Amino acid sequence: GQSLEQPSEVTAVEGAIVQINCTYQTSGFYGLSWYQQHDGGAPTFLSYNALDGLEETGRFSSFLSRSDSYGYLLLQELQMKDSASYFCAVRNQAGTALIFGKGTTLSVSS
Amino acid sequence: EAGVTQFPSHSVIEKGQTVTLRCDPISGHDNLYWYRRVMGKEIKFLLHFVKESKQDESGMPNNRFLAERTGGTYSTLKVQPAELEDSGVYFCASSETPTDTQYFGPGTRLTVL
Repeated sequence: GQSLEQPSEVTAVEGAIVQINCTYQTSGFYGLSWYQQHDGGAPTFLSYNALDGLEETGRFSSFLSRSDSYGYLLLQELQMKDSASYFCAVRNQAGTALIFGKGTTLSVSS
Repeated sequence: EAGVTQFPSHSVIEKGQTVTLRCDPISGHDNLYWYRRVMGKEIKFLLHFVKESKQDESGMPNNRFLAERTGGTYSTLKVQPAELEDSGVYFCASSETPTDTQYFGPGTRLTVL
């Protein structure tokens, strides 16, 4: 089956850089996705890695190492509004439905 | 372009009652998914529609849950009769193809008393 592990909480200050790690176990791999969720609202898509390496989108970057079944989300120049829950996710065996980790709560303080 | 919408945003019902949740996907998205997050747990997949057909309902917890997508547009998820453990946030997501990025709605927070 599929499972994902990520830290439950991370704290940082404004302007800092934080890295949220995710390790996964999956019988078929279709890439690693990251979602952000504010206050229990709609999970918002952030990034997707299908191949090894770093994908950069503004202040957010995501990295994948398929050989290590590992990825991370890197958030730079943290702002208070980045306080949220972050989920890594893989696809199910059919490559369709998302399987989520339990989420990492990021708290950014001034 | 409007995003995924869900109705109602909150629902509080008593054990044994029936509740129907509605999801309107992004226009043109053939793929519609239902997920649920129970307090303290991860977001879990319930089922997947392609147009009006159930492609995968392996995540549906039991036969008290019935999902429909008549006409291949909006979808409903009915819980009958509701139990205490059904409390949680029910999310709907849609995508153009089965492997495309999924866009989530704001969820329906269901509380069963």
